[in-house]
Amino acid sequence: EPEVTQTPSHQVTQMGQEVILRCVPISNHLYFYWYRQILGQKVEFLVSFYNNEISEKSEIFDDQFSVERPDGSNFTLKIRSTKLEDSAMYFCASRGQGLGYGYTFGSGTRLTVV
Amino acid sequence: DQQVKQNSPSLSVQEGRISILNCDYTNSMFDYFLWYKKYPAEGPTFLISISSIKDKNEDGRFTVFLNKSAKHLSLHIVPSQPGDSAVYFCAASVDTNYKLTFGKGTLLTVNP
Repeated sequence: EPEVTQTPSHQVTQMGQEVILRCVPISNHLYFYWYRQILGQKVEFLVSFYNNEISEKSEIFDDQFSVERPDGSNFTLKIRSTKLEDSAMYFCASRGQGLGYGYTFGSGTRLTVV
Repeated sequence: DQQVKQNSPSLSVQEGRISILNCDYTNSMFDYFLWYKKYPAEGPTFLISISSIKDKNEDGRFTVFLNKSAKHLSLHIVPSQPGDSAVYFCAASVDTNYKLTFGKGTLLTVNP
């Protein structure tokens, strides 16, 4: 079964450092997303991406965040200057047309900012 | 801002019995609802969805019921199996943007 692949599975970084979280969505999917889950809280939408541009972003997704699809396969989330409160599980997801089959989520990257 | 609420943080059932997971929502613009299952150290896995034009959708052991007037949906798992033990998330979407709004999840434990 096709998978969304995320790397690394765990990233530890110092506050103020830049991090890039990487994702390889399912190859024939057209819509890409980043969500995050702070420990003990609910999964929250960050950003959606379609046709090489951001289609929607949440208030969490401020100027410190950016996304990119640098080639035909990778989809990245960059946090420019990490803060302690950015520590969370970050999930990449992709989907085809419609919502009938939901999204396919990756296994996540646990980001720990120290 | 809790547009999607799962008021039971946990539920424990015996193997073979029915599991009923509940979800309430406040945003009347939501018109698509999904259930996801999540194991530790994995991403959410899609289980089943329902459009607001339906009141029931069934897939094997899983059935989702939607009561639009009460803004309530439920997931029934029959019969429950120990492998069903996981956190179950309810999610909702407005058709035009497909952004998912999640509930906090319910931890289901199915005891052998």
